Amino acid sequence: DTAVSQTPKYLVTQMGNDKSIKCEQNLGHDTMYWYKQDSKKFLKIMFSYNNKELIINETVPNRFSPKSPDKAHLNLHINSLELGDSAVYFCASSQEGEAYNEQFFGPGTRLTVL
Amino acid sequence: AQSVTQLDSQVPVFEEAPVELRCNYSSSVSVYLFWYVQYPNQGLQLLLKYLSGSTLVKGINGFEAEFNKSQTSFHLRKPSVHISDTAEYFCAVTGTYKYIFGTGTRLKVLA
Repeated sequence: DTAVSQTPKYLVTQMGNDKSIKCEQNLGHDTMYWYKQDSKKFLKIMFSYNNKELIINETVPNRFSPKSPDKAHLNLHINSLELGDSAVYFCASSQEGEAYNEQFFGPGTRLTVL
Repeated sequence: AQSVTQLDSQVPVFEEAPVELRCNYSSSVSVYLFWYVQYPNQGLQLLLKYLSGSTLVKGINGFEAEFNKSQTSFHLRKPSVHISDTAEYFCAVTGTYKYIFGTGTRLKVLA
């Protein structure tokens, strides 16, 4: 059983479109995250959610809107896609948000905006 | 503010040779440090972590790291690498509700 899963794995779309990426964890964790990995492999936190509540929004444009329908899911919706949004997006989860907790990562979604 | 510096963007090494991947951190609070590995086209997998206690931490796949508070370092080592160790390695310092990652080191093991 996959601990943290993401769909789709690959997403190719045109500029200006709206798209969503789904994430689910079956670990019973309280905290979930979205990270963005750019073309140089740099990983940066975008959002953190704890028990469905937004905790961290790292100056991400308003075009990005995370939604957490329940503790096991954290979806990412992106409006009006731009070329610069092309990246690999990783979902992760941890038992809690405390700094000593290990985060478990999903396999990533490679988004390509044409 | 917390930050992580990985000094080497790429490290080529021959199979069965030892390797060290360098990581330096900056933090004004208690430090928790992690090393993750990312194999091609995959997600991140935890190699090892330092939370407290012994400064020498052993992880999976024969990797180990040493926490050095005076030098603010957490270098990753393996005494003998395999072709299968070819991957991207990330050092991270953690804050509440997020990791701060270094820029990664690409380890390329040569036959």
